[in-house]
Amino acid sequence: AQKITQTQPGMFVQEKEAVTLDCTYDTSDPSYGLFWYKQPSSGEMIFLIYQGSYDQQNATEGRYSLNFQKARKSANLVISASQLGDSAMYFCAMREGFNQAGTALIFGKGTTLSVSS
Amino acid sequence: DAGVIQSPRHEVTEMGQEVTLRCKPISGHNSLFWYRQTMMRGLELLIYFNNNVPIDDSGMPEDRFSAKMPNASFSTLKIQPSEPRDSAVYFCASSQTGRGYTFGSGTRLTVV
Repeated sequence: AQKITQTQPGMFVQEKEAVTLDCTYDTSDPSYGLFWYKQPSSGEMIFLIYQGSYDQQNATEGRYSLNFQKARKSANLVISASQLGDSAMYFCAMREGFNQAGTALIFGKGTTLSVSS
Repeated sequence: DAGVIQSPRHEVTEMGQEVTLRCKPISGHNSLFWYRQTMMRGLELLIYFNNNVPIDDSGMPEDRFSAKMPNASFSTLKIQPSEPRDSAVYFCASSQTGRGYTFGSGTRLTVV
């Protein structure tokens, strides 16, 4: 079974609109971390936002917020006020275990976001 | 901080040749990860090290792949012999805590 599922292969949004990228995860570990990365066409992996399983509040970083619904095992990324530069591939990832450095990230298949003017 | 440094950025080689990819993690990071990205399979974990010790190499596709981390500041991923299906982007990442994983710029490998 997939640990990270991103069901939207592609999303299209107009500039200045908000967009939600879906991510569901599967783990039996009560301690885990959820991450979102952006991969523009240039190829680098850019860290966007992190949510720990015990964090009480949803994480926010500028225009990015993570809609964390623990019971539903979902960790959707919300991008407010989309910009042309947001066009990229977005990956959801999970680390199992409590804040441990020595655990690898497991990635979803990604969602391609296209922002038009 | 120079970030995670990978070399070369691009590599084109002929089938059957040995390929060595290199990675310098961020100083102070004690975990290092190698990933492979392809269109078909997405981002796959190949192997990772904690404190220079290999922890999980179950993602290494075949015996043709090997990885080493002789010290805290250097790791290699070697493919011998290379095959066209090894063509992919190979990423190295390092981490100090479980909240931050920094990726290198990747090595785009093409095997012809």
